[in-house]
Amino acid sequence: GESVGLHLPTLSVQEGDNSIINCAYSNSASDYFIWYKQESGKGPQFIIDIRSNMDKRQGQRVTVLLNKTVKHLSLQIAATQPGDSAVYFCAENNSGGSNYKLTFGKGTLLTVNP
Amino acid sequence: EPEVTQTPSHQVTQMGQEVILRCVPISNHLYFYWYRQILGQKVEFLVSFYNNEISEKSEIFDDQFSVERPDGSNFTLKIRSTKLEDSAMYFCASSELDPRRFGPGTRLTVT
Repeated sequence: GESVGLHLPTLSVQEGDNSIINCAYSNSASDYFIWYKQESGKGPQFIIDIRSNMDKRQGQRVTVLLNKTVKHLSLQIAATQPGDSAVYFCAENNSGGSNYKLTFGKGTLLTVNP
Repeated sequence: EPEVTQTPSHQVTQMGQEVILRCVPISNHLYFYWYRQILGQKVEFLVSFYNNEISEKSEIFDDQFSVERPDGSNFTLKIRSTKLEDSAMYFCASSELDPRRFGPGTRLTVT
């Protein structure tokens, strides 16, 4: 199983650069995926979602890519800003099985240097 | 944009005491959830609630936990006899279907 603890994967980028945050999911039956942003002391904030019938979805400054073959999800943030500094979680759901349980990944700490 | 709200923001209680965490979901949402996050760890699913009953619960959600929607706006999580290991951030979330929107959380500290 996936280990948990205090040591998050980290990504440090310069302001203005593009960021790519990766996530590997485990359940091949998952068909819905979400990226959340969590700032210190706050709740998860929805960024973007994607269903398994799509490979790519774009939002404002963010793009999510889904590769079902290798069970991989990525979040691309364009022109990263200091306000983007946070922990980013991917989450997966199998709507054909449980429609209710959203399973979160371990998270990646993004630090944007001015 | 409407938001999920939670009260209190921080709750300190002694081991063995009962606590009630309160949430006001977004008004037109039909699905309600509780999650928790132990410091430095992943967000973990506790329970989902739809149509006035529990839809699904995790192994964490044992007999010490209960949820209630006492009126048309509030959604509560009760822990009957708190343990030290219940110390965590507790997040309420709500949705029409997806995505679910999270509240700011209640930090529960059990001493």
